Amino acid sequence: QQQVRQSPQSLTVWEGETAILNCSYEDSTFNYFPWYQQFPGEGPALLISISSVSDKKEDGRFTIFFNKREKKLSLHITDSQPGDSATYFCAASGQGGSAKLIFGEGTKLTVSS
Amino acid sequence: GALVYQYPRRTICKSGTSMRMECQAVGFQATSVAWYRQSPQKTFELIALSTVNSAIKYEQNFTQEKFPISHPNLSFSSMTVLNAYLEDRGLYLCGARSGYEQYFGPGTRLTVL
Repeated sequence: QQQVRQSPQSLTVWEGETAILNCSYEDSTFNYFPWYQQFPGEGPALLISISSVSDKKEDGRFTIFFNKREKKLSLHITDSQPGDSATYFCAASGQGGSAKLIFGEGTKLTVSS
Repeated sequence: GALVYQYPRRTICKSGTSMRMECQAVGFQATSVAWYRQSPQKTFELIALSTVNSAIKYEQNFTQEKFPISHPNLSFSSMTVLNAYLEDRGLYLCGARSGYEQYFGPGTRLTVL
């Protein structure tokens, strides 16, 4: 059973547009949700994260919107740039800093110029 | 800043042989270290989670006999893939956690011939 789901699998946007990546989860005890950005041949890099006590987290062009009731969150990338082309992974974990991270299957974003 | 190093970056081994990979956290105290395998088919598979003052916990389908891990201190961890076969191919990622945030290394890509 996939506990963290992402959609779409792939997404193409034009340079300057806003890319919206979606994520949903099953376990209501999850309280920490990081997003990772991964380029080919590299490890995933922590991009931005949110805890369940917040409904929005913003960092530059990247914003997470979180809906605890519906167990959904989304990553918005405004003014998308070709350099944002990468695979983005949503993850979730529960209580405590040692709790394991559960990853979604990723969304491959392509930004065309 | 928080950095995680992994070496080697890539390795090739013959079927039935073993190889060891290392992970080092620099710039922070890792309260836990998680080893993942990333493959195109199965995204991130958690192999084991090693937490300070606790035994190493292996996930289903992964065993200490196959993937022995050494975690002598907060900064260093190593894992060996014993008796590697084709199904063990993939990118092995080390994630070192400080609080809620988990930082990944670039991974060790294992090819089995």
